[in-house]
Amino acid sequence: GEDVEQSLFLSVREGDSSVINCTYTDSSSTYLYWYKQEPGAGLQLLTYIFSNMDMKQDQRLTVLLNKKDKHLSLRIADTQTGDSAIYFCADRGYSGGYQKVTFGTGTKLQVIP
Amino acid sequence: DTEVTQTPKHLVMGMTNKKSLKCEQHMGHRAMYWYKQKAKKPPELMFVYSYEKLSINESVPSRFSPECPNSSLLNLHLHALQPEDSALYLCASSQPRDSGNEQFFGPGTRLTVL
Repeated sequence: GEDVEQSLFLSVREGDSSVINCTYTDSSSTYLYWYKQEPGAGLQLLTYIFSNMDMKQDQRLTVLLNKKDKHLSLRIADTQTGDSAIYFCADRGYSGGYQKVTFGTGTKLQVIP
Repeated sequence: DTEVTQTPKHLVMGMTNKKSLKCEQHMGHRAMYWYKQKAKKPPELMFVYSYEKLSINESVPSRFSPECPNSSLLNLHLHALQPEDSALYLCASSQPRDSGNEQFFGPGTRLTVL
């Protein structure tokens, strides 16, 4: 089956940039997502990228996609303490009437004031 | 309305209880999903309904019983659960095709089994 991998932990100082990396195996993925999850909360979609794009910028967030290497990254500029959370990348395929989303292992981002 | 709602927000139940989790969306989505998420782990798919028919059951024990009474509602009936079933249960919905940009997730029900 599909596999989506992330590093488990990242610590940055407030004001610095954070880069969270993700690798995936499913070459048929159509969309790739970044979700944020704060403690005790549900999943918040941060941004997404269509598989035929290589970059997407949305305010402080920049998503880079290297489809050849199956590598996805999320850069958060000017990281704030409110950005502390677990970040999941996910890839989406499609199979007979439903979207199959596979989540990565999650990266815990700790922002030091 | 781009919202998926889930009730209750929290649920504590004993191993002999019967309870139900509810999920609702009014976005016209015809695919709905149940995920289970343990602490500090990614969500794991449990069930998928497409056009109100069960499409996927990811080898979930029979003590979890899903139901999709109409295109807006998704239930998860719980009976004789075990303490290891304690988790965050997330509902999601999407278009039942490979277009549209995302699955919309509800806030989840945090279940504790005593």
